[in-house]
Amino acid sequence: DTEVTQTPKHLVMGMTNKKSLKCEQHMGHRAMYWYKQKAKKPPELMFVYSYEKLSINESVPSRFSPECPNSSLLNLHLHALQPEDSALYLCASSQVNRGSKNIQYFGAGTRLSVL
Amino acid sequence: SQELEQSPQSLIVQEGKNLTINCTSSKTLYGLYWYKQKYGEGLIFLMMLQKGGEEKSHEKITAKLDEKKQQSSLHITASQPSHAGIYLCGAALNAGNNRKLIWGLGTSLAVNP
Repeated sequence: DTEVTQTPKHLVMGMTNKKSLKCEQHMGHRAMYWYKQKAKKPPELMFVYSYEKLSINESVPSRFSPECPNSSLLNLHLHALQPEDSALYLCASSQVNRGSKNIQYFGAGTRLSVL
Repeated sequence: SQELEQSPQSLIVQEGKNLTINCTSSKTLYGLYWYKQKYGEGLIFLMMLQKGGEEKSHEKITAKLDEKKQQSSLHITASQPSHAGIYLCGAALNAGNNRKLIWGLGTSLAVNP
């Protein structure tokens, strides 16, 4: 089973709203990722959690707030977003072992529209 | 400039034809990952290569990593409409950290029946 589940699939929010994206995996992976992808562009890494601790933050604006409550769950809290934040948000997970393949498995994404 | 160059940018082939997509780096690749993406959906993992000269196949798709570990090719034999999508290569350029990948810009493949 290589399934990463993301909810919701679609989200429309206003610039003053607060919403959250959720991601879940049951593969025993201890690394989880958030990516942002604009149309016709490759994914852009936002955050990486390793063993439930934030290990990489790619200088993401504070209106995006990640949270990793346990080894299976990853959330992305959204607040006061801008229209340019509209994109496909992808979650991924992988093993953490140094030198191993660490293949990232992706969810189907959340299509976010900010009005 | 792009650290990982992917070519061609787009490709239209007739069903049944073979095709090749290339992914080239100016630096040594410590892991090369091929993914496929349908528009608006998540990335589907295809294959991962680590060793120079390595070749892997899955159904009608074969991926190779050259001996110098700076270029990979993805070859599809007898293409089918189900092969249509965007093919992305991702690379680990750091031997000690393969969690942050560098991505190519993708190759958009259309297969005409």
